[in-house]
Amino acid sequence: DIVMTQSPLSLPVTPGEPASISCRSSLSLLHSNGYTYLDWYLQKPGQSPQLLIYLGSNRASGVPDRFSGGGSGTDFTLRISRVEAEDVGIYYCMQNIQSPYTFGPGTKLEIK
Amino acid sequence: QVQLQESGPGLVKPSETLSLTCSVSGGSMSDSYWSWIRQSPGKGLEWIGYMYDSGGANYNPSLESRVTISVGTSKNQVSLRLTSVTAADTAVYYCARESCSTASCQHYYMDVWGKGTTVTVSS
Repeated sequence: DIVMTQSPLSLPVTPGEPASISCRSSLSLLHSNGYTYLDWYLQKPGQSPQLLIYLGSNRASGVPDRFSGGGSGTDFTLRISRVEAEDVGIYYCMQNIQSPYTFGPGTKLEIK
Repeated sequence: QVQLQESGPGLVKPSETLSLTCSVSGGSMSDSYWSWIRQSPGKGLEWIGYMYDSGGANYNPSLESRVTISVGTSKNQVSLRLTSVTAADTAVYYCARESCSTASCQHYYMDVWGKGTTVTVSS
């Protein structure tokens, strides 16, 4: 299985400040078709996960443009340009280039 | 818009079979994959598998010998069946729709999730 790791696991952020989450995979997520099979999900408190970013850098419908995804190969980053109170929750990266899909352990973002 | 609702018994005895249903409303089941994912405190998010509308399925090898995902008794339902459960199967179970993200459907993403249903395995 492809192992996904994230850092940090806990991220306290002051509202209005930027935040960055790192995700690494044990195998390259670049497919021969040119797409990078890395998605980001946010699980807000008491809710199910919701899609934020797909194929490494594409924002899902309705996701604010303060969220951006980047990276390549095995190293990826989710950035929030200015954190808002509604951004609290656990952020997960997930690979689906190879079965079984695997998730990172999650990064818990909290407001300072 | 499509909504998903998981249902099933909240308590299952060890060695018995866990059966859950995901009811799909507000849209068609065609042209999508239908996944089950579970979340337990000890293991985080774990992908269980998916089925697609032609009836095929793809399972996590760690569960493959015990799991079946299929169309439910109603056409707008997806069912999950997990046999020989143990305490390690205690989790919140989510169903999710996987939609095509590229023109030629080379990638799918989980764009709609149910609220999840909690299953405890205990005698």
